[in-house]
Amino acid sequence: EAQVTQNPRYLITVTGKKLTVTCSQNMNHEYMSWYRQDPGLGLRQIYYSMNVEVTDKGDVPEGYKVSRKEKRNFPLILESPSPNQTSLYFCASSLSRSSYGYTFGSGTRLTVV
Amino acid sequence: AQKVTQAQTEISVVEKEDVTLDCVYETRDTTYYLFWYKQPPSGELVFLIRRNSFDEQNEISGRYSWNFQKSTSSFNFTITASQVVDSAVYFCALSEWSNTGKLIFGQGTTLQVKP
Repeated sequence: EAQVTQNPRYLITVTGKKLTVTCSQNMNHEYMSWYRQDPGLGLRQIYYSMNVEVTDKGDVPEGYKVSRKEKRNFPLILESPSPNQTSLYFCASSLSRSSYGYTFGSGTRLTVV
Repeated sequence: AQKVTQAQTEISVVEKEDVTLDCVYETRDTTYYLFWYKQPPSGELVFLIRRNSFDEQNEISGRYSWNFQKSTSSFNFTITASQVVDSAVYFCALSEWSNTGKLIFGQGTTLQVKP
């Protein structure tokens, strides 16, 4: 089944404890990106990747890191999480930017206390 | 500047009623793509449709239909004979060819279908 797999689905962590949210797609998609969803602010792009080893900042990159060492994986790294990073996170992939539909993962609900 | 506006924050209907969700967009690009996504209570984002700026043909898929009008920069979504399972938040989104592939989302419309 074609899908984007995110893990974990739920995570509660403490301020400052490094964490990684994994994202993997099995559709051989070139383009991947991360979004966060917050009440009143909607969905905003954090980082994106056009292809392997090519990543760039989205609208809200502060406090996040990403890497794209393989086409299928695009992990989101929070080196020192803070409470303002409590959010619902989505990973998305597409065959290429813009012109194709984006497939989203099931989401990761992160709480930083 | 690019922007997507979904003016209806919440809509409540009774089952079997038809309902239209409005979406108005702003872009300077001539090549762009419009999307609708559904977010059910379980939280995932489900892709419904993609339309490119050169294709103004309306589309119907079962009880769902979409009306794209470039003249009014609108991409409205109609559910015919609504069902309780249609209850969800619906997002309209825009992606510009000249941009980075970023999806610009509207604020979403919460649809509640009552039995």
